[in-house]
Amino acid sequence: QSALTQPASVSGSPGQSITISCTGTSGDVGGFNFVCWYQHHPGKAPRLIIYDVIKRPSGLSNRFSGSKSGNTASLTISGLQAEDEADYYCSSYTSSSTLVFGGGTKLTVL
Amino acid sequence: QVQLVQSGAEVKKPGASVKVSCKASGYTFTNYGISWVRQAPGQGLEWMGWMSGYNANTNYAERLQGRVTMTRDTSTSTAYMELRSLRSDDTAVYYCAKMTAVVGDVFDIWGQGTMVTVSS
Repeated sequence: QSALTQPASVSGSPGQSITISCTGTSGDVGGFNFVCWYQHHPGKAPRLIIYDVIKRPSGLSNRFSGSKSGNTASLTISGLQAEDEADYYCSSYTSSSTLVFGGGTKLTVL
Repeated sequence: QVQLVQSGAEVKKPGASVKVSCKASGYTFTNYGISWVRQAPGQGLEWMGWMSGYNANTNYAERLQGRVTMTRDTSTSTAYMELRSLRSDDTAVYYCAKMTAVVGDVFDIWGQGTMVTVSS
């Protein structure tokens, strides 16, 4: 199972919005509404921020939103803040009953 | 509160085995599955496999089949991941993660990570 494709890096200024894409195939992203997004600050445990493509865990800021079109899922972070600087990973359930992660995207807040 | 606490760092020689533990607390252990994810230095997250909370059935990533075994001890609410025939490219931080169902793709609670270094 090949990793999902994410841009290596994105950047934005405080207050701006950014979008990170996650491209897979019909056997994973395109075939199921089981896409998650995780925020990972180096040295800490990853944190779930989006599940089932569009849902946010209870208590999570609504600045984070998810969407999907075809084989590509997207994470949008609005009103960028300094603490949003982290690595972001998408994941998807697959037709083999396994899970695959994206390669990760480093978000820099300028 | 719900938490997963993993065992400490390990240093192993190539060809050896490592067994990492993950002790759960704050929830009913058998109601939720456990997955294992690793991150090699400078690399992204890699899914290793999962174990059902209901019956401990497992499903492993294809590239690790034959080298990895995930087990649990319900009496102590502890999950284990054993990796055999270690190679240098197994050097990574290993995480356990709680699923939001007996089996599933959503990991809502993660352990703190266990560094495993494979070096001669």
